[in-house]
Amino acid sequence: QKEVEQNSGPLSVPEGAIASLNCTYSDRGSQSFFWYRQYSGKSPELIMFIYSNGDKEDGRFTAQLNKASQYVSLLIRDSQPSDSATYLCAVVHLGDSSYKLIFGSGTRLLVRP
Amino acid sequence: ETGVTQTPRHLVMGMTNKKSLKCEQHLGHNAMYWYKQSAKKPLELMFVYNFKEQTENNSVPSRFSPECPNSSHLFLHLHTLQPEDSALYLCASSPSGEGGGYTFGSGTRLTVV
Repeated sequence: QKEVEQNSGPLSVPEGAIASLNCTYSDRGSQSFFWYRQYSGKSPELIMFIYSNGDKEDGRFTAQLNKASQYVSLLIRDSQPSDSATYLCAVVHLGDSSYKLIFGSGTRLLVRP
Repeated sequence: ETGVTQTPRHLVMGMTNKKSLKCEQHLGHNAMYWYKQSAKKPLELMFVYNFKEQTENNSVPSRFSPECPNSSHLFLHLHTLQPEDSALYLCASSPSGEGGGYTFGSGTRLTVV
């Protein structure tokens, strides 16, 4: 079983719509969750993090966490073509001797003008 | 400029060559990481350094040799690589080794011929 799972997509939404990106994780002890955006040919950039159950909003982005279901999601309101990118879900995992960030394979989002 | 600088941006090397990748962070962080990103695969953690001590080696072949002389600099020495090692190599840093959000460098696109 993969530690962090995401649908690879592409998820295609029209401009102005809400894009919903989902992620599940296997380590029930995980406490910290991150969403990164990666444009083609570029490195990942952090857009949101969430530690507590519930919703966390930042501008057009809302992260949602449900630890009981081991599920984290990212909503993007009023999607813009510039939001077209791959979105990576990442979960902090405690390994043998250090914490490390484990990434899903990413969901590609396409926002149609 | 993300505060994490990687050089070179692109590298083509033969299987018998020896080369090094360099990473420098200007953020005052104490933890640094090497990740490998191959097409259609999740980011793979290779090495973790916390306060310049290696705390994680994720079963990486010995043809990859990391070096961390201080908390601001990280190197990845490469020798006798294989074509399947061609990938984007990303360096990241975080404030501590306790799983905070990472800042990534722009990466080195490595091609092994």
